[in-house]
Amino acid sequence: GAVVSQHPSWVICKSGTSVKIECRSLDFQATTMFWYRQFPKQSLMLMATSNEGSKATYEQGVEKDKFLINHASLTLSTLTVTSAHPEDSSFYICSARDNNREIGEKLFFGSGTQLSVL
Amino acid sequence: DQQVKQNSPSLSVQEGRISILNCDYTNSMFDYFLWYKKYPAEGPTFLISISSIKDKNEDGRFTVFLNKSAKHLSLHIVPSQPGDSAVYFCAAYTGNQFYFGTGTSLTVIP
Repeated sequence: GAVVSQHPSWVICKSGTSVKIECRSLDFQATTMFWYRQFPKQSLMLMATSNEGSKATYEQGVEKDKFLINHASLTLSTLTVTSAHPEDSSFYICSARDNNREIGEKLFFGSGTQLSVL
Repeated sequence: DQQVKQNSPSLSVQEGRISILNCDYTNSMFDYFLWYKKYPAEGPTFLISISSIKDKNEDGRFTVFLNKSAKHLSLHIVPSQPGDSAVYFCAAYTGNQFYFGTGTSLTVIP
């Protein structure tokens, strides 16, 4: 099956610094990628939809200036948490959509990034 | 507006018994329904799907049932194994969009 690589898997940073998370589709072109945040006790919240070559679409309540998304190529989307604060500590997951596959293989997830802001 | 809902945040089942995870949806235009499984500190992985024109799909120990009139689907795991302990997300698909439920944490007790 297709692979989505997310990096880094774990990052610790000081409050006020910025952190960049990368999401790559390794063997398919993904015009659309998604960024999620997982809160404690499992709920998966869609933060934004990343479209190659255009601006990302953010879900209600997600600050676009806080969570910068860039989808500069068909295989790479990045999420930058700017001026991170302890409340931004969370598990962030990306996914990429392969429109050329059957339904069970349309959406692939990265392995996630655990962000801890001190 | 949550179009896909999983009302049970957690479920505990004895090993060997049946696990039933439930999911409700509001949009009658969904084309497919899917279940994803997620272990801690990992991304979700696809488990099983069902087309909106079917009412049952089976894959080994996993069976998904769809009741369109009730806008309800369920995932049955028989027999449940300790390795099935994970968070299960229900998802619905239409128009190239995926809509996820909030997940149900399944614990299978040995």
